Amino acid sequence: QKEVEQNSGPLSVPEGAIASLNCTYSDRGSQSFFWYRQYSGKSPELIMFIYSNGDKEDGRFTAQLNKASQYVSLLIRDSQPSDSATYLCAVGRNSGNTPLVFGKGTRLSVIA
Amino acid sequence: GAGVSQSPSNKVTEKGKDVELRCDPISGHTALYWYRQSLGQGLEFLIYFQGNSAPDKSGLPSDRFSAERTGGSVSTLTIQRTQQEDSAVYLCASSLEAIYGYTFGSGTRLTVV
Repeated sequence: QKEVEQNSGPLSVPEGAIASLNCTYSDRGSQSFFWYRQYSGKSPELIMFIYSNGDKEDGRFTAQLNKASQYVSLLIRDSQPSDSATYLCAVGRNSGNTPLVFGKGTRLSVIA
Repeated sequence: GAGVSQSPSNKVTEKGKDVELRCDPISGHTALYWYRQSLGQGLEFLIYFQGNSAPDKSGLPSDRFSAERTGGSVSTLTIQRTQQEDSAVYLCASSLEAIYGYTFGSGTRLTVV
C-alpha cells in the first residue's frame, strides 16, 4: 500500500514567520513530488513540484526533497494570513500517467 | 477550454437514485482523473483515463460506480443506487503528463439524502 503521511495540524504561525510543512512517503519508487494548496471549500491548486534531491525555490516557497529519507517538505517564508489553507503533499511515479497518491493534508493557520 | 470544467457544481439526490457527474478537461490533456474528498478527509483516487481507456479502475468503491470517457475529452462518472456514504466532493483533474502535476476542476458536491 503506497502511503503519504502528513501531520494534520493545525499548524499555527505568526504573520511574517516561516511555516514548515512536512511529508513522508512509503514507495521508494516515487520520482515526482508535488505540493497543492487547498482553501476551504475550493479545489486543490498546484503550487510546487520537485523531482531531484535538494531544494527548489519559487518566490516565498521552497520545496525540499530527501529521497534517502523519503521525506518532502515545503517552507513558506514571510507567511501571510492569505497562506492559511490546507497543504496537500502528492507523490507519483514517472511511469506514464499513473495517479498521484495524496496525503490528507496539513492545515496551516497564519495569525495576523 | 481554459480550465477543467465540472458539472453540476452541486447535486442533491435521494438515496437510491442514479447520478451522473460530468468533467470536461483542458483541451489536449490526454490523462483524466477522478478523485473524491469526504468532509475533512484526503483525496481518494477513483479512476483514471489515458485517452478513452481506463488503465486503473482500482479505486472505484463498488460496482455501483462506473465511468467513461469519449473522444478523448469529456468524462462522465455515474453512481447508481446512491447511498448516503457516497456524499462527498467529486473532483476531476487532467494533465498532459503526470510528471507536471494535475489541474483540478472546481468539483461536484454530491449530497445523498
